[in-house]
Amino acid sequence: GAGVSQTPSNKVTEKGKYVELRCDPISGHTALYWYRQSLGQGPEFLIYFQGTGAADDSGLPNDRFFAVRPEGSVSTLKIQRTERGDSAVYLCASSLRPAVQETQYFGPGTRLLVL
Amino acid sequence: KQEVTQIPAALSVPEGENLVLNCSFTDSAIYNLQWFRQDPGKGLTSLLLIQSSQREQTSGRLNASLDKSSGRSTLYIAASQPGDSATYLCAVRQGGSEKLVFGKGTKLTVNP
Repeated sequence: GAGVSQTPSNKVTEKGKYVELRCDPISGHTALYWYRQSLGQGPEFLIYFQGTGAADDSGLPNDRFFAVRPEGSVSTLKIQRTERGDSAVYLCASSLRPAVQETQYFGPGTRLLVL
Repeated sequence: KQEVTQIPAALSVPEGENLVLNCSFTDSAIYNLQWFRQDPGKGLTSLLLIQSSQREQTSGRLNASLDKSSGRSTLYIAASQPGDSATYLCAVRQGGSEKLVFGKGTKLTVNP
């Protein structure tokens, strides 16, 4: 079946603009995760959804970042007033359920460049 | 705060060699440890997942071990091939949390 998909694959924006990044998880996966990966670093956790609710948003760096998952499937990560430091690859992952033995399946990521 | 370290940061080997990648973590209260592969410009592909109660997992030419008490894991790749060239990431799932904490990765190059 289809894996995790993310759109757009690349996004270039100007400092101060608003951006939305979309994630389509694997069908039937109830848990969804967002990570951010800067150049030369490992991914860093941003937020985790179980169903429609954000169960853990402790990784969001500040209040410019917000994510939603209104119907428990597709999720959108929203970044307001973008800054150059927001440039990174934003990765989405999903798992069948939020159990400790479950593997997280990652999408290809959205490369965000803030000029 | 959990910290995950991977050594070496980069490794270059000739085709056919067996090799070991290392991962260490500071807090042993983990649920599991996972090894991923990341190709340039791509997402992450899960290779092996070891539960905290397990000592090792094997898949084909890959073998991952876990020593939870000492905070270490190794990924052994047998008979390396040029197609194994990628960045290998280690990640731990902390107890009481759903998030993964990643190392910075080891960039592996296997030369023909």
